[in-house]
Amino acid sequence: NAGVTQTPKFQVLKTGQSMTLQCAQDMNHNSMYWYRQDPGMGLRLIYYSASEGTTDKGEVPNGYNVSRLNKREFSLRLESAAPSQTSVYFCASSSDRASGGYTFGSGTRLTVV
Amino acid sequence: QQQVKQSPQSLIVQKGGISIINCAYENTAFDYFPWYQQFPGKGPALLIAIRPDVSEKKEGRFTISFNKSAKQFSLHIMDSQPGDSATYFCAASGFNTNAGKSTFGDGTTLTVKP
Repeated sequence: NAGVTQTPKFQVLKTGQSMTLQCAQDMNHNSMYWYRQDPGMGLRLIYYSASEGTTDKGEVPNGYNVSRLNKREFSLRLESAAPSQTSVYFCASSSDRASGGYTFGSGTRLTVV
Repeated sequence: QQQVKQSPQSLIVQKGGISIINCAYENTAFDYFPWYQQFPGKGPALLIAIRPDVSEKKEGRFTISFNKSAKQFSLHIMDSQPGDSATYFCAASGFNTNAGKSTFGDGTTLTVKP
């Protein structure tokens, strides 16, 4: 099925550990995004990539890094996890223009203890 | 600074009633306004979207009303059903902006009682 695939679906980390969240899309979209969702705070943009080889900071980039590995894949890395990074993380993709909206993955629920 | 304000935070409606969710935006450069529906444990999914050249768009039981002068838009769900119970997000972006980066409202949790 076409769409956005995220792995893992669940993860528990200890403070200070690192991990990489993986995202891949098979819709030939140029743009990809990482959002975090926290109760009562909606969806906040962490990083985005307008095209292969480019990345830009969003609203809440601190503590995160990203890699646009190729057109299909966009990964999010937490170098030293903190409890404040406990959240649900969504990857999304879109075509060059906003007309089709975003296609979201099913999310990664991350808990940092 | 929040650029898209959404209300109410939560909404309870009886089956068959009308659900109304409102959003207001600040940036006049926004010209694409989608609504997303999210069920528990799932990612948001595009529901319906509007551009400011029209004042209303209808798809089945879902209607977007748009007021450009007031910088407001709303989602109306007619004949609300228990299966519509979900969280709804409004968003705004520049239609022709590279990357189509969207700003989201905080979400409205809708509960439709049988």
